[in-house]
Amino acid sequence: EMKLVESGGGLVQPGGSLRLSCAASGFTFDNYALHWVRQIPGEGPEWVSGISWNSEIIGYADSVRGRFTISKDNADSSLFLQMDKLRLDDTAFYYCVKDRGRLLDWSFGVWGRGVLVTVSS
Amino acid sequence: DVQMTQSPSSLSASVGDRVTIVCRASQSTTDYLNWYQQKPGETPKLLIQAASALQSGIPSRFSGSGSGTDFTLTISSLQPEDFATYYCQQSSSTPPTFGQGTTVEIK
Repeated sequence: EMKLVESGGGLVQPGGSLRLSCAASGFTFDNYALHWVRQIPGEGPEWVSGISWNSEIIGYADSVRGRFTISKDNADSSLFLQMDKLRLDDTAFYYCVKDRGRLLDWSFGVWGRGVLVTVSS
Repeated sequence: DVQMTQSPSSLSASVGDRVTIVCRASQSTTDYLNWYQQKPGETPKLLIQAASALQSGIPSRFSGSGSGTDFTLTISSLQPEDFATYYCQQSSSTPPTFGQGTTVEIK
């Protein structure tokens, strides 16, 4: 069974930092692109960032570019999201999501259960 | 960014009803359009990819159609487990964007 498990969420003050991690299992990790997608309860999902299988292609939403950094460790089957300069409007559930192929096809077939990031003073 | 607009925002229907949800893109996405189902407390589930390709394990009462800017998701005979929120999402250009959702409620 393909599984994605996020960790690292929590409460942080505006301007602070958090590092999200995602542990993958049940599939060949280094054959797939991966993404972070966030969602405020009651609203539609919002794509945050994606990374290709070999980390050569990386994309960010305009709202996080320059503040968030995505990376992956194929040896450890892990995906990361370093979030700096956090703002109030970054508050959301953050999901680790597997793409259907190696590149950024943006078809989100497998989702983790998500972690809550709350930015508040 | 490509804006995705769904209609209606919510609907009430009975078990056995035929339900149609419309998704309109602000510019052509050819057939790069996915549909997701999300139940309360759960994560989105990919139902249909590339406008009409039913994912493995998804019941055949779900179908998708359309191309360019106008797409539909149809549930041919609504079942109790289908009451949920449905989202369309374009995968044609970056950033990928979602519609605001259509909530299907019990009548």
